Amino acid sequence: DAGVIQSPRHEVTEMGQEVTLRCKPISGHNSLFWYRQTMMRGLELLIYFNNNVPIDDSGMPEDRFSAKMPNASFSTLKIQPSEPRDSAVYFCASSFRQGYEQYFGPGTRLTVT
Amino acid sequence: AQSVTQLGSHVSVSEGALVLLRCNYSSSVPPYLFWYVQYPNQGLQLLLKYTSAATLVKGINGFEAEFKKSETSFHLTKPSAHMSDAAEYFCAVRTQGGSEKLVFGKGTKLTVNP
Repeated sequence: DAGVIQSPRHEVTEMGQEVTLRCKPISGHNSLFWYRQTMMRGLELLIYFNNNVPIDDSGMPEDRFSAKMPNASFSTLKIQPSEPRDSAVYFCASSFRQGYEQYFGPGTRLTVT
Repeated sequence: AQSVTQLGSHVSVSEGALVLLRCNYSSSVPPYLFWYVQYPNQGLQLLLKYTSAATLVKGINGFEAEFKKSETSFHLTKPSAHMSDAAEYFCAVRTQGGSEKLVFGKGTKLTVNP
């Protein structure tokens, strides 16, 4: 299997612009997770989906962040408008079912200037 | 609420020496516990997991961890460090039968000196 696929790998944008991060989970996995990693806050869960339905979005920082999972093989995380403090590495992970380990993608490094 | 504390943000060992990375957890219900490794500019890779079976868990690359309920600990060990073990290591906890949410520690960066 190709593993979790994320795009783009790097994104540089200006403050105020819209940013869309994309994730393709491992085929057959039914849970998908979005994380953010920064030096200051470490690794934080933003939101997770089970069977394409958002289950816990308590980690989403504010209304500027939104996530969708229109089907089992694709998810997006959108930031609009972006701010410099959103600069981080964003990871997507997927798991087969509850209790199983999460498999992480390579991450998207976002820089907002 | 669950939490994880990793003692020591940086650990340095010599090649061939014992590796010990410490993790203590807080959970009001029986936990699942995980160790992940992150190499530079890569995602996290699962090393091993505890899911209430054997308390001594063996993982990949010669790592193992022991679940000690009385000490609320899940320390990661490897008898002999290799240069390729240099990476950042994360301990994580989630509740059994509950939310799939993983709570991660802050990470420990392991340096292996020749």
